[in-house]
Order: sequence, then C-alpha cells, then structure tokens
Amino acid sequence: IVMTQSPATLSVSPGERATLSCRASQSVAPALAWYQQKPGQAPRLLVYDASTRAAGIPTRFSAFGSGTEFTLTISSLQSEDFAVYYCQQYNTWPQTFGQGTKVEIK
Amino acid sequence: EVQLVESGGGLIQPGGSLRLSCAVSGFSVSSDYMGWVRQAPGKGLEWVSVIQSGGPTRHADSVRGRFTISGDYSTNTLYLEMNILRAEDTALYYCTRGTPQRYWGQGTLVTVSS
Repeated sequence: IVMTQSPATLSVSPGERATLSCRASQSVAPALAWYQQKPGQAPRLLVYDASTRAAGIPTRFSAFGSGTEFTLTISSLQSEDFAVYYCQQYNTWPQTFGQGTKVEIK
Repeated sequence: EVQLVESGGGLIQPGGSLRLSCAVSGFSVSSDYMGWVRQAPGKGLEWVSVIQSGGPTRHADSVRGRFTISGDYSTNTLYLEMNILRAEDTALYYCTRGTPQRYWGQGTLVTVSS
C-alpha cells in the first residue's frame, strides 16, 4: 500500500492552523497512525486508529479520516510543533509510511 | 519505565554481516509486537521487520532472505541479524514496540561502504 502525503512542506506562522493530508492507495481505515519527528530525535506516536490521540499528546492535535483519505490538524502551532510528520498504515503487511510533511516556520 | 536501547551498528563493507541488539526494560519482549524501522540519512521512515509477541516474524521485501529478527526472552533482548549488506541498507535503525509503534529507541547507525 502506497501512502502519499501532501504537501511536502508547509510554511505556517506560530499560532496558525496547519492541515496535513495523507492518502492511501487502498482502504486502510481505521489502521492509520501519525508520527512527529524532530531533528536528531526518534519519531513520536501522535495518533492511532485514525483519530485517537496517543497518551500525553496535546488536544491541539486532532485527526480524522476514513477509507483512503486522512487529515492531521494542529489547531494553533506552537514552537515545539515545527517538525516532520509521517502517516503510516498498519492495516496490511508490510506496514508503510508516507514520505513526510515538513512543517516549518513561516 | 519502558526503555529500548539499540547497539551493534557500525561501518561494514558491502556483502558483510552485522547483528543489531535492542536491550529492553520495563516490559517483556515476548509480550508485544517488537520490530525494527530504519531511516536512511535525510530520508523518511521504512518498516523493516517485526516479531509478533514472540511468535511469527515478517520482513520487508527489501530485506527478506537477508535479515532475520529474533528475540532472546531470557535476556529480554531483540535482535536483527543482517547479512549480505548493501549500500542501500545504510540507515539509522530504530528498535520499536507495538503496532503502531508506541515506543522507539534512539537508534543505531549502520553504514555500508567500502
């Protein structure tokens, strides 16, 4: 299953909303996760089962989707949110990741 | 506290072999899905292998037949045996727990180069 994320880069000002998209080449719902990765760090699980926030993840992160189309929204970007975000399907082996969306400071 | 600590990476020539280790604490390796995800320099994430709660194993097509995942439940350690290494195997290898991957180690770097 091919996972395609858009855009590749998103330039956003602190305090603004960011919307990231992920499309699967076939239905994977609800087995869709989102990860955040900062430079020099391991990825961190943000969301699983398409819309459930992982433990300790702030409520400004929300996600939804079904079938093949998924979205991650960060409602008001904080300085610590500038990072690369990956979606991943775990419905079918092999698990596959999207190529990532870099959220950068505008 | 859950901790995953990888070791065993290094510089290896093409065609060589390497064994990665992941020392686990805070839970039993046999109790959950344990796996490896890699990241080539400056690139995205690639799933590599999984062992399902101490049982069945799966590998990505790109490594099947060359890599083997296993667990030592007496020492609570996860391994990745890597053979016939290629330049394209150069990456930071992360040990992970769960599916999706809730816990990650800090990674161990494998560089395949002559």
